[in-house]
Amino acid sequence: LAKTTQPISMDSYEGQEVNITCSHNNIATNDYITWYQQFPSQGPRFIIQGYKTKVTNEVASLFIPADRKSSTLSLPRVSLSDTAVYYCLVGDPVGTGNNRKLIWGLGTSLAVNP
Amino acid sequence: DAGITQSPRHKVTETGTPVTLRCHQTENHRYMYWYRQDPGHGLRLIHYSYGVKDTDKGEVSDGYSVSRSKTEDFLLTLESATSSQTSVYFCAISTPPRTTDDYGYTFGSGTRLTVV
Repeated sequence: LAKTTQPISMDSYEGQEVNITCSHNNIATNDYITWYQQFPSQGPRFIIQGYKTKVTNEVASLFIPADRKSSTLSLPRVSLSDTAVYYCLVGDPVGTGNNRKLIWGLGTSLAVNP
Repeated sequence: DAGITQSPRHKVTETGTPVTLRCHQTENHRYMYWYRQDPGHGLRLIHYSYGVKDTDKGEVSDGYSVSRSKTEDFLLTLESATSSQTSVYFCAISTPPRTTDDYGYTFGSGTRLTVV
């Protein structure tokens, strides 16, 4: 069964770059790796998704090594509003399509300080 | 989030009573999901639907049932609520619809349910 491991919490300061790494040593070969952000009293919000190497969008970058056993979410120049919980999401190698179990980590609580 | 609404936002109910939570979407997406979120467990899938009247169980489906009579509505029912079902419940839709191995969901704002 796939499992994801993330740091429970991280602290940073405004303007710094933050990197959050998720370990997932047994994921489905064809699955994407997806990251979500969650604020208190809200549902998770999609941030970024990738399959391999590097993906960048307007809010973050995602680095995935060739072995795909981990992924790193990079938030450039964080602000106070980036204080949230960040989750990585992967698919279990068992099952396909709708029968595939999705593995949500417990999330990393990021605190951005002034 | 725009396009997906959950109701009620908060509810307190007594043990043994039936409870129905509603998820409404305006995006016309085929796939809809119900999750629960608890400290120490993260998000866990309860049930999902891949079309009108097409539903299937997730990993924690015991004590829950669902119905989808229209594309836009997905109902979650606790037949006889227990204290262990105190949780925050999230509905989600796939954006785009989940026909490939990517997981781009849009979540609602959640329903906080307390069973006393």
